[in-house]
Amino acid sequence: AQSVSQHNHHVILSEAASLELGCNYSYGGTVNLFWYVQYPGQHLQLLLKYFSGDPLVKGIKGFEAEFIKSKFSFNLRKPSVQWSDTAEYFCAVNPDSNYQLIWGAGTKLIIKP
Amino acid sequence: GAVVSQHPSRVICKSGTSVKIECRSLDFQATTMFWYRQFPKQSLMLMATSNEGSKATYEQGVEKDKFLINHASLTLSTLTVTSAHPEDSSFYICSARDQVGYTFGSGTRLTVV
Repeated sequence: AQSVSQHNHHVILSEAASLELGCNYSYGGTVNLFWYVQYPGQHLQLLLKYFSGDPLVKGIKGFEAEFIKSKFSFNLRKPSVQWSDTAEYFCAVNPDSNYQLIWGAGTKLIIKP
Repeated sequence: GAVVSQHPSRVICKSGTSVKIECRSLDFQATTMFWYRQFPKQSLMLMATSNEGSKATYEQGVEKDKFLINHASLTLSTLTVTSAHPEDSSFYICSARDQVGYTFGSGTRLTVV
């Protein structure tokens, strides 16, 4: 079955630390990839997405993600986190053959000031 | 953990008919639920915020008369697509706000023929 795995359910970092959140998916065909973020008390927002082209994708607020097809991965990175990055981050995969969005379980990120 | 059940997972309907999608929080009370729509090869789009006992808040560009939302109890929100047309074919997903964050339904794939 198709699935998306986010390895860390909770991550705690200090401000200015570097961030990398893992995301792996199980699907052999063409995929569209997303990272969404939910800040406390707010609804889901798109952070960045990959459909095709340059596998290094830059998103809002200094985030980027790299699609590595051979590893079925789409890890999210930020070189220096801020307290305002405290949120829950979701990786999602859309197999190109249908409309369905397959979600990872989410990673709760807490940034200590 | 918190579970949101969305039903049906797939539905095919004729143009001009109405379709109701249910979103239930199974083990918690959800005063707020969100309805999203995913267009082909695009990310999720928030359609509306559903509040128990009051009118839903629709995002700009979403027709409230076409996408009727009812949140009559603390565990159930429904989205009714009225007079469906082929362009309404899409993937609809709900999410509910729980004590620790947000939980998503598994989505409904609507095909209007």
